[in-house]
Order: sequence, then C-alpha cells, then structure tokens
Amino acid sequence: QVQLQESGPGLVKPSQTLSLTCSVSGDSISSGSDYWSWIRQPAGKGLEWIGRAHPSGSANYNPSLKSRVTISVDSSKNQFSLNLRSVTAADTAVYYCARVKFLTVAGGYGMDVWGQGTTVTVSS
Amino acid sequence: DIQMTQSPSSLSASVGDRVTITCRASQSISTYLHWYQQKPGKAPKLLIYAASSLQSGVPSRFSGRGSGTDFTLTISSLQPEDFATYYCQQSYSSSCTFGQGTKVEIK
Repeated sequence: QVQLQESGPGLVKPSQTLSLTCSVSGDSISSGSDYWSWIRQPAGKGLEWIGRAHPSGSANYNPSLKSRVTISVDSSKNQFSLNLRSVTAADTAVYYCARVKFLTVAGGYGMDVWGQGTTVTVSS
Repeated sequence: DIQMTQSPSSLSASVGDRVTITCRASQSISTYLHWYQQKPGKAPKLLIYAASSLQSGVPSRFSGRGSGTDFTLTISSLQPEDFATYYCQQSYSSSCTFGQGTKVEIK
C-alpha cells in the first residue's frame, strides 16, 4: 500500500528556510490525478493546510502562507518537498505530508494517505 | 477563504452513547466535505468523504450527513477506540480549510 515518510531538520533558526521532503512508496507520485499536500499542527492546536502540488507543476497555497511557501514534486525521486521561508517561532509545529486523491465527483479531493508527521522547532 | 466551524469544541460521552458533531461552512460547499479522526500523537485518518461516504475499513457506526453549509458526523454507539479529535475539511475551494476540531473524551 501507499506509504509516505517525512524527513528534514528538526530545528530551524528564525529567519531561515524550513525544508522538508516527503518520500512516497507503493505508488508512482506522477500517476493519475493525485495532488500532494503539506499540513501542519502546532502543539495542542488544530490542523492547518499549507498547500498542495501536482506533478504537472500546478500548486495551491494557504493564502496566509502563500508569500513564503513553495511545494514542488520531483517525479524522478518519487518525492515532494516543502520550503517555508523566513520562519518564526509561530512556524513551530508537527508537519504532515498527505496524498490528495480525487475521491468522487460529489466530493472532490480528500487526503486519504498521511505520513506519520515530523516535528519542526524554530529556535535560535 | 471558506471558514469551517465545528461544534461543540469538546464533549464527554460514555461507551455506547450516540454522539453527533456538527460542522458548518461559511458558504455553500455542496458535499465537498470530509471528516478525519486524529488520536494523540498520530496522523489524522480519513473517515468519511463527500459528506456521507464511508472510507474503506471504517466501521459502520460512523456516518455523515449534510450538504450546502450544514453537516454532521454521527457515531451510533461510541467505542473505547473512538475517543479522539475529529476534524471536518472542505475541498470545494482550491484552498482547503479544516474545522477547529472536536475532542471526544471519556465521561
């Protein structure tokens, strides 16, 4: 079955760029109409959608983060990545990657496979 | 942005109880609404998609209803493994949003 695994630094300094990678196994990242997404969750708080990208190059982002975020898909490596620039302590969170699959005409896209999450702390 | 508002934010219930969680969208989203369950320290899990369709492997005690702006998630008979936080999420917009979550606790 499809599995996702996040990787990247657990500690990032303020004003620097947070970079994470999600490795996909059990499926080709460029097959079908799937998007690939990043979601984050500060400790004790709810889920915040960061954005999604398609292997074709199209992407959509949370308006509140759009100016600082880039999500890209690398089909040759079967992985996708998140870059979040100019981070502050407010960006400290567990970061999840997820597959965004077209589920039905009536429901559109949903996140049906998730990685286990990786904790990123922004601190000097 | 489409805002998603869940109620209640938390609830206490006993094993065997019927539990209903409500999610309201700030504008009509048809049935582009999904429900997720998250247990502490774990990733969210898709339970229900398109407002009322049960994801494969999810027990039939979970059900969803609604369209437009008002949606519900119902657990017909709460089991010990159902104590968790539940989130709704809209996919009507290309910029998706989650509700703030409803924590279901043991009474």
